Amino acid sequence: NAGVTQTPKFQVLKTGQSMTLQCAQDMNHNSMYWYRQDPGMGLRLIYYSASEGTTDKGEVPNGYNVSRLNKREFSLRLESAAPSQTSVYFCASMRTEAFFGQGTRLTVV
Amino acid sequence: GENVEQHPSTLSVQEGDSAVIKCTYSDSASNYFPWYKQELGKGPQLIIDIRSNVGEKKDQRIAVTLNKTAKHFSLHITETQPEDSAVYFCSVELGSNYKLTFGKGTLLTVNP
Repeated sequence: NAGVTQTPKFQVLKTGQSMTLQCAQDMNHNSMYWYRQDPGMGLRLIYYSASEGTTDKGEVPNGYNVSRLNKREFSLRLESAAPSQTSVYFCASMRTEAFFGQGTRLTVV
Repeated sequence: GENVEQHPSTLSVQEGDSAVIKCTYSDSASNYFPWYKQELGKGPQLIIDIRSNVGEKKDQRIAVTLNKTAKHFSLHITETQPEDSAVYFCSVELGSNYKLTFGKGTLLTVNP
């Protein structure tokens, strides 16, 4: 039972490049989330998916897109990375409590 | 949307002392209040939670209190140990939409 698995753990991108962050959970949760964590800012919700087939914007969605591929997988895509997107990204899934992945540390240069 | 304020941003205590972290929220319809601990290089992990029909909950050395009238809740850690050193986040869920809003975090340092 792995819980929530994120890949990759680290990534460096050049400005304008694109990439997809992958997330998978094996707890059969309906709800999945993407957060970003910046120093002094806590965890801010980017997008979430309340169930398979639905996605909604969170607090800071600009510059991101998501796909709920199936019940297990929820991916986050940066189409044209910007330095302001340098952050640590966390995926989470939830039924009655939230379980977080280990995070992806992304640097955009 | 929901607004969550967390204080203090940093807290340093001596081993064996108690630590208290406080949060306030804005929406009176909020009904679920979990606390997360984040160790360096890891994702947040739930340590204790409380729902709006309960005023206090304890789990060994940690406890959470909730004052719905004043819209604030607190985390209490007694007999602190060096392994309690971490960043702690309060969070709030509004209604049953399964969306959590987080405070900005408290860096707790327990000095041996």
